[in-house]
Amino acid sequence: GQQVMQIPQYQHVQEGEDFTTYCNSSTTLSNIQWYKQRPGGHPVFLIQLVKSGEVKKQKRLTFQFGEAKKNSSLHITATQTTDVGTYFCAGPRTGKLIFGQGTTLQVKP
Amino acid sequence: DAGVTQSPTHLIKTRGQQVTLRCSPKSGHDTVSWYQQALGQGPQFIFQYYEEEERQRGNFPDRFSGHQFPNYSSELNVNALLLGDSALYLCASSLVPAGGTYNEQFFGPGTRLTVL
Repeated sequence: GQQVMQIPQYQHVQEGEDFTTYCNSSTTLSNIQWYKQRPGGHPVFLIQLVKSGEVKKQKRLTFQFGEAKKNSSLHITATQTTDVGTYFCAGPRTGKLIFGQGTTLQVKP
Repeated sequence: DAGVTQSPTHLIKTRGQQVTLRCSPKSGHDTVSWYQQALGQGPQFIFQYYEEEERQRGNFPDRFSGHQFPNYSSELNVNALLLGDSALYLCASSLVPAGGTYNEQFFGPGTRLTVL
């Protein structure tokens, strides 16, 4: 069954509003990755977090890895129409990379 | 520098048929993983190849098999196709050896398989 859960499944925001997606694992992860998939496209790597409590920023995107290394979040400040897509978290589990079901972000201009 | 390439782009098959999908990894990468992505879902890990051997396998039946060639390219074969096999099949390459810590996966554009 699904071992990496993401919420919410969908999010509609007005351009300029903030957006957050949350990722939760049933087990401790050695690291967590985030990917973005544009409509009709393929997943593109955004970042990897390895350390407990790690926080990384990429321009308007802020990624966090929980202290227990079982949860993570992606926060986008002041969304733009170019942020549209589905955001996936993924973590290694018994040698396999397990993806969450993703959060699809729609941005109204 | 060519990224990950996959062929064909689209494929239509009927139930019971067999299909072969192909993937060429990013230059310099030696590890290839295959994923199945159903509509509205996250990619599901099928298996991973490194040094021409299957190193890890997800929860997929034996109808799904693969191969990696000496030049690191890979094939995914699916036998006795079912309607439920309709999905986007993604190939991803990386430098990380199978079983090691996963690093950045470079995905190809995928093959859209439709089973009628």
